[in-house]
Amino acid sequence: DAKTTQPTSMDCAEGRAANLPCNHSTISGNEYVYWYRQIHSQGPQYIIHGLKNNETNEMASLIITEDRKSSTLILPHATLRDTAVYYCIVGGSSNTGKLIFGQGTTLQVKP
Amino acid sequence: EAGVAQSPRYKIIEKRQSVAFWCNPISGHATLYWYQQILGQGPKLLIQFQNNGVVDDSQLPKDRFSAERLKGVDSTLKIQPAKLEDSAVYLCASSLEGSYNSPLHFGNGTRLTVT
Repeated sequence: DAKTTQPTSMDCAEGRAANLPCNHSTISGNEYVYWYRQIHSQGPQYIIHGLKNNETNEMASLIITEDRKSSTLILPHATLRDTAVYYCIVGGSSNTGKLIFGQGTTLQVKP
Repeated sequence: EAGVAQSPRYKIIEKRQSVAFWCNPISGHATLYWYQQILGQGPKLLIQFQNNGVVDDSQLPKDRFSAERLKGVDSTLKIQPAKLEDSAVYLCASSLEGSYNSPLHFGNGTRLTVT
């Protein structure tokens, strides 16, 4: 599975959009991009995933570049409850669903 | 729907003792995973079950760790004997099917401290 690179930490003002970048330059054609987050003292929570098209759900939007070497997770109106570690993970369509987590980005939403 | 249930929430033991963790996945989920998360790191997969069969246990330290999933539902993870470096949060996750299109649902974990 391809590896990902994320910034260690980011800040965002409450009510503003949070844009979390992820680089996955070695991604192959059949690999998906997944985002999970982990709030303190809780297990990771699924946010969204995509292959090549942009995706949106009730939690966030996922923007994948045309060459698929990077992506951005967008939380449109960040709240204090969005403070968490955000993990960008790449996995293939042939995999068994297991996720290989990196270090993630710690997002701090400030009032 | 009820989430993934894990118990106990916390456990403190001395090194060389044994310990067991229990997981009840979401009803109907065929795939179950155990992850170990050391403080400050991302979760690391220990073992994956599909129903009651093992799919991947390549990262499980088999000299001291064991896991089973009887009847393809609940699962237990055991450590015997524990070492100081086993101090971590043990997370259980389940998914409807073990595939790329089936998100994982995690429990809140068991925090193990080995003294």
